[in-house]
This record gives sequence, structure tokens and C-alpha cells, in this order.
Amino acid sequence: AQKITQTQPGMFVQEKEAVTLDCTYDTSDPSYGLFWYKQPSSGEMIFLIYQGSYDQQNATEGRYSLNFQKARKSANLVISASQLGDSAMYFCAMSYNAGNMLTFGGGTRLMVKP
Amino acid sequence: ETGVTQSPTHLIKTRGQQVTLRCSSQSGHNTVSWYQQALGQGPQFIFQYYREEENGRGNFPPRFSGLQFPNYSSELNVNALELDDSALYLCAMSSGTDTQYFGPGTRLTVL
Repeated sequence: AQKITQTQPGMFVQEKEAVTLDCTYDTSDPSYGLFWYKQPSSGEMIFLIYQGSYDQQNATEGRYSLNFQKARKSANLVISASQLGDSAMYFCAMSYNAGNMLTFGGGTRLMVKP
Repeated sequence: ETGVTQSPTHLIKTRGQQVTLRCSSQSGHNTVSWYQQALGQGPQFIFQYYREEENGRGNFPPRFSGLQFPNYSSELNVNALELDDSALYLCAMSSGTDTQYFGPGTRLTVL
């Protein structure tokens, strides 16, 4: 069975600073995908970044980067230069079953301070 | 904007009733997945439809059922509503194994 663990229920970061959100996963599948989504208070899940299990390089998308450490089964999200609009819930998720059905972690609430 | 729409936005039902939630996309994504997100938790996978057939199912009872139409839009039906069914229901569209793009969700309250 697949499992995603996010150990930080809530985090504060100062505006313009970088922040790392932790995610560890457990799976027996050799092929999987790792995703990060942002969920503002409005409820919509916004896709941020994707990392495939066979990708050699860490994924980057603008201010977002994914620190993928396969041996440690971790996929931490790094947000550089935090902005007030980054305040939201962040979910780590993993795809499985040779498809894209997602297992989500419990989320981390990020609060950016001005 | 993901182009994924869901209706209704909010819904209030009473225990034992039935509900139908809808999802559609303007972008032609052929795979639709439904998730239930209880308050304060991460979303949980309900089921996925591809080419109008159920392609996978999570740990949800049979009273949760779905449909996918030829235009790839989808419905989630829940029979015999229980209080614990109160949640945000999220629809996600994708093409094959590509990234899933979520709609804004339907917030269901069961009284």
C-alpha cells in the first residue's frame, strides 16, 4: 500500500525567505510519480510540480523545486522568495497503479508573514 | 484556470437522501477522478473513469457510484447519505497518466 506522510501541520515563513515543506512516502512500486498541490482557502487544488521516480534531476517550476531523495523516500518542496499569496495548504501526493490515481498526505499549512 | 468545472458549488442534504455531483472540462481530458476531502484532511481517492468505464476504485462503499459520458464529463452519485459524507468533493481531469487538474470542488453538507 502507498502512504504519504507530511510531518509539519503548520509552518510560518517570513516574506521573501525560502521554505522547505517535508514529504516522505512509502511504496513497493518501482514506478511512481510525486506531486505537490497548493490549496488556498477557496478549495481548488492547484498543481505545482511533478517528479517521476526515474527522473535523474530534481524538478523545478519557477519558484518551486522538488528535492527528490529516492533512497530516503523523500520529496520535499522548496519555495524560494516566499510571497504573501503563498499562504495556503500544501499537499504532497503520489500516483500509483500504473496510472495517476493519487494518494495524498495530510497537508501542511504555510503562513507567510509580512 | 484549469478549465475544470464542478456543480453545484454548495449543497445541503439530509441523512438518507441521494445526491448527484457533476464535473466537466473544456480541454478534452479523457480521464476523470473523484476525491473526497473531509475537513482538515487530505483528499481520498474515490474512483476513476476512463472511456466511460470505471478504471480504479478506492476504499468507498458501493453507494458511491459514477458515470462518465462520451464528452468526458462525469457524475458522482451518493445514495443513502450519511453524516460522515459531509466533505469537499473534488473532481480531477487528466489525459492518460498525465498530471491531474482539479476543479473548484463541491462542498456537501449532510444534516
